[in-house]
Amino acid sequence: EVQLVESGGGLVQPGGSLRLSCAASGFTFSAYWMHWVRQAPGKGLVWVSRINIEGSSTSFADSVKGRFTISRDNAKNTLYLQMNSLRPEDTAVYYCASSSPGYYFLDYWGQGTQVTVSS
Amino acid sequence: QSALTQPASVSGSPGQSITISCTGTSSDVGGYNYVSWYQQHPAKAPKLMIYDVSNRPSGVSNRFSGSKSGNTASLTISGLQAEDEADYYCSSYTSSSTQVFGGGTKLTVL
Repeated sequence: EVQLVESGGGLVQPGGSLRLSCAASGFTFSAYWMHWVRQAPGKGLVWVSRINIEGSSTSFADSVKGRFTISRDNAKNTLYLQMNSLRPEDTAVYYCASSSPGYYFLDYWGQGTQVTVSS
Repeated sequence: QSALTQPASVSGSPGQSITISCTGTSSDVGGYNYVSWYQQHPAKAPKLMIYDVSNRPSGVSNRFSGSKSGNTASLTISGLQAEDEADYYCSSYTSSSTQVFGGGTKLTVL
């Protein structure tokens, strides 16, 4: 069974940092692109970032470019999102999701981790 | 990276058909056959329903279908059932090598 389990969320002050993790199991993690998608309270889904299989190519939404970094450790079957200079508008549930290389749909999703940016 | 445009809400009675539209630009929906649709029940993770405009993943009911014309994609649900009540989101690949979601549509089954 495919499982994606996010962790690392919590309460952080504006300007602070947080690192999210996504542990994958039940599929060949190293053969899939990985993504982060977020959802603010009562709002819609917003794509955040993508990383390729090797970790050599990344892409970001304009709203997080320069503040967030995506990375992966294929040996540990884990995806990361390093979030710096956090703003109140970054408050959301953060989901990790997978896609097959060269395909732009997200086939498996985790259950999400809550990030709250507030003083 | 403006969000794709979806109606905020649609509704239908059991057994009826409904269609949700998703309008973008030539830089996303109109430029690529990479439109996907997701269903999200309250407090649950999204679920893939349609990919590459009109393809259904294994296990998704054939009551769900997708299409595209120009810069507008559509999701049609036929034979509405109570369990179809959920939020639906479209998504597209973009010319900036990113992805963009629609604002979401709340489907109410009357």
